[in-house]
Amino acid sequence: GQNIDQPTEMTATEGAIVQINCTYQTSGFNGLFWYQQHAGEAPTFLSYNVLDGLEEKGRFSSFLSRSKGYSYLLLKELQMKDSASYLCAVRDTGGFKTIFGAGTRLFVKA
Amino acid sequence: GAGVSQSPSNKVTEKGKDVELRCDPISGHTALYWYRQSLGQGLEFLIYFQGNSAPDKSGLPSDRFSAERTGGSVSTLTIQRTQQEDSAVYLCASRPTDRGPSGELFFGEGSRLTVL
Repeated sequence: GQNIDQPTEMTATEGAIVQINCTYQTSGFNGLFWYQQHAGEAPTFLSYNVLDGLEEKGRFSSFLSRSKGYSYLLLKELQMKDSASYLCAVRDTGGFKTIFGAGTRLFVKA
Repeated sequence: GAGVSQSPSNKVTEKGKDVELRCDPISGHTALYWYRQSLGQGLEFLIYFQGNSAPDKSGLPSDRFSAERTGGSVSTLTIQRTQQEDSAVYLCASRPTDRGPSGELFFGEGSRLTVL
């Protein structure tokens, strides 16, 4: 079956670093995505991993371990505007169907 | 267009009525997806189109749900005899090609459906 797990909520302080974990069990794997979704808005793409290791993009980094079925999104120098839901998504082997986790709501406090 | 466009943005209907939701993908994007997001939940995959065909309809919750895509562009999601549990935000997304090494999804703002 398909299962993607993430924590429901996290709280962090402005300026700090936060790590959002994602574990997955899927029938196939052809890439893992992280999306950001502000309340009432559409999800927007943050990062993509298909090989093991760390991908860095500015304040955001994403890590993947395919053998462990594990990924994390690292947000540095947190800003108030980073308060949003972060969705972990896995694309299957066929290359088209993308399954999403329930998302992690991040609250950034001053 | 500049982005994925969905209409209506909000729809309130009575139980038992039929509704149609429309998605206009980014010009040139061949792959189109429909997802459903209930309050506080993640995205539930409904259906995927490659051009005008739908290789995977496995996510449609029941036979009351159907979708079509014409001309490789606009798609319509139809829900017949709506039920209260159909209340959700219906998100459409498109992608330049149906497969490839990366290719993130570009989402529309969604259609919020409320069934009374």
